[in-house]
Amino acid sequence: AQSVTQPDIHITVSEGASLELRCNYSYGATPYLFWYVQSPGQGLQLLLKYFSGDTLVQGIKGFEAEFKRSQSSFNLRKPSVHWSDAAEYFCAVGDRGSTLGRLYFGRGTQLTVWP
Amino acid sequence: AAGVIQSPRHLIKEKRETATLKCYPIPRHDTVYWYQQGPGQDPQFLISFYEKMQSDKGSIPDRFSAQQFSDYHSELNMSSLELGDSALYFCASSFSGTSGFGVSYNEQFFGPGTRLTVL
Repeated sequence: AQSVTQPDIHITVSEGASLELRCNYSYGATPYLFWYVQSPGQGLQLLLKYFSGDTLVQGIKGFEAEFKRSQSSFNLRKPSVHWSDAAEYFCAVGDRGSTLGRLYFGRGTQLTVWP
Repeated sequence: AAGVIQSPRHLIKEKRETATLKCYPIPRHDTVYWYQQGPGQDPQFLISFYEKMQSDKGSIPDRFSAQQFSDYHSELNMSSLELGDSALYFCASSFSGTSGFGVSYNEQFFGPGTRLTVL
């Protein structure tokens, strides 16, 4: 069964610092990969996605993520964090074997940004 | 651009009561997904519908039922509510096209969620 691991429950960074949120997945092949952001009381907003091709994908709000097949990872990065980036971030995988398929989410990483 | 609409946004119920959550997908989207996010938890898939037919089923309790109507909106019906049903319920929609199964993966767009509190 598919599973997603986000090893960091909570990360605190200073504004302007770089950020990397980790995500590892368990899947028989290369899944579809996503990063979502959730602000308090809000829904899930898609930051970026990987389906195929270039393993470095660019997303909204200056985020990028790199798919590494050998490490089964899809880590999210941002070179300079802004206070407005404080939110919860979810990594998710979609099943290539199920085109109308559900998403499997990680437990999320709560990001706090110090001014 | 139009987004996924969920109503109500907040709902408070007593134990053993019934609740109905509604989801209005983005226009022209034909697939609806329901997810449940408990406090401090990751969203868990409940059920999905494509062209008014159930397309996938996850960890949805037997006390819950759902359907998709001819206008593609969906309703999640929850009966005999328990304290553990308190959660944020997300609906997502996507456009899967006329070929349905077998097409490439379609991005899911999420609504703002309905926060259900069971007292």
